Amino acid sequence: AQKVTQAQTEISVVEKEDVTLDCVYETRDTTYYLFWYKQPPSGELVFLIRRNSFDEQNEISGRYSWNFQKSTSSFNFTITASQVVDSAVYFCALSGDSNYQLIWGAGTKLIIKP
Amino acid sequence: DTGVSQDPRHKITKRGQNVTFRCDPISEHNRLYWYRQTLGQGPEFLTYFQNEAQLEKSRLLSDRFSAERPKGSFSTLEIQRTEQGDSAMYLCASSSSGGAKNIQYFGAGTRLSVL
Repeated sequence: AQKVTQAQTEISVVEKEDVTLDCVYETRDTTYYLFWYKQPPSGELVFLIRRNSFDEQNEISGRYSWNFQKSTSSFNFTITASQVVDSAVYFCALSGDSNYQLIWGAGTKLIIKP
Repeated sequence: DTGVSQDPRHKITKRGQNVTFRCDPISEHNRLYWYRQTLGQGPEFLTYFQNEAQLEKSRLLSDRFSAERPKGSFSTLEIQRTEQGDSAMYLCASSSSGGAKNIQYFGAGTRLSVL
């Protein structure tokens, strides 16, 4: 069975601090995909990144970076120099190679205080 | 290129009534997905289509739920005899079958309130 765990329910930091959101997954598939989505207060889920199981290179996009480690089944997300606009719920998700339904974590609510 | 569009954005209904939601995917996307999201939870997969074929529907919550995509373009999700427990956000997503085939792009959702 596939499962995604986001143990941090809510994180609150002051603007400009760095923050890491944790994601741990379970799957028996050898080929799978991991995702991060952002859900701001407006409600629309915004795609941030997709990573496949064969690519363990870390990814950096501006202030965002992702650390994928198969050895620990983790796909963590770091925001550097956080901003108030980063406040949202962040979801980690998993899908297989043939079945594209996304299995979601419960989300981490990130609050950035000015 | 417009994104995924869902209509209505909000629906308030009385218990026992039928409701239907519409989703228009990104125009070149041939895959379409429906999810349900309750407060404080991640989305829960319901069903998905490739073109007009419904390839997975075992996760529909009960036989009161049904979905169609008759011409492989827009889709509808119908809930018959609504119950208070059906109150949730219903999300639609679409994806292509190309290189980014499983990146799902979401609409803003339809929030259903059953009184």
